[in-house]
Amino acid sequence: KQEVTQIPAALSVPEGENLVLNCSFTDSAIYNLQWFRQDPGKGLTSLLLIQSSQREQTSGRLNASLDKSSGRSTLYIAASQPGDSATYLCAARYGGATNKLIFGTGTLLAVQP
Amino acid sequence: DADVTQTPRNRITKTGKRIMLECSQTKGHDRMYWYRQDPGLGLRLIYYSFDVKDINKGEISDGYSVSRQAQAKFSLSLESAIPNQTALYFCATSARGGTRGANYGYTFGSGTRLTVV
Repeated sequence: KQEVTQIPAALSVPEGENLVLNCSFTDSAIYNLQWFRQDPGKGLTSLLLIQSSQREQTSGRLNASLDKSSGRSTLYIAASQPGDSATYLCAARYGGATNKLIFGTGTLLAVQP
Repeated sequence: DADVTQTPRNRITKTGKRIMLECSQTKGHDRMYWYRQDPGLGLRLIYYSFDVKDINKGEISDGYSVSRQAQAKFSLSLESAIPNQTALYFCATSARGGTRGANYGYTFGSGTRLTVV
């Protein structure tokens, strides 16, 4: 069964700290992996998309890595700010008949000023 | 204007009522999806469509139906709403992936918060 797990479920850090969010997936035959941000009660904003052939993607203070062989992706946030507080979701995209996007349950991040 | 627009943003309805959630997109994507999000359960796929004539069930389709009226429009209906359908509903789109697989990400709407009382 294709499953995606995110650890930790919640994280609280002081402003300015660098942090890492973890995502693991059971089936390594992914097409790509996408990281999203969700503010409370809001929609999903795409942060980074890593293709299966790539090792990492960067956007500003965000860096996402992908290791297919170990079934892991990490999202690194540098110099965290209170505005980074949100839920971060990773989603693995698989092919086949469904071409399915499998979501983790997210990491709730609180950055304390 | 948003790439993926969902209406309504919020809706409260009574048990047994029929309700329709609508989604329209300006991305030009072929593929459209409906997900629901529940606390602790993440996002789960309800229905998806790869083009106007294609409708497929997701993992939790019971109690729901969909209509793909045009490439840009995909609506979700609850024929007889029940309280456990209270959730946040998302529409999403993606481009066709090609023979080597999907090289594109998904774009999500802002969601519809549905409460069934």
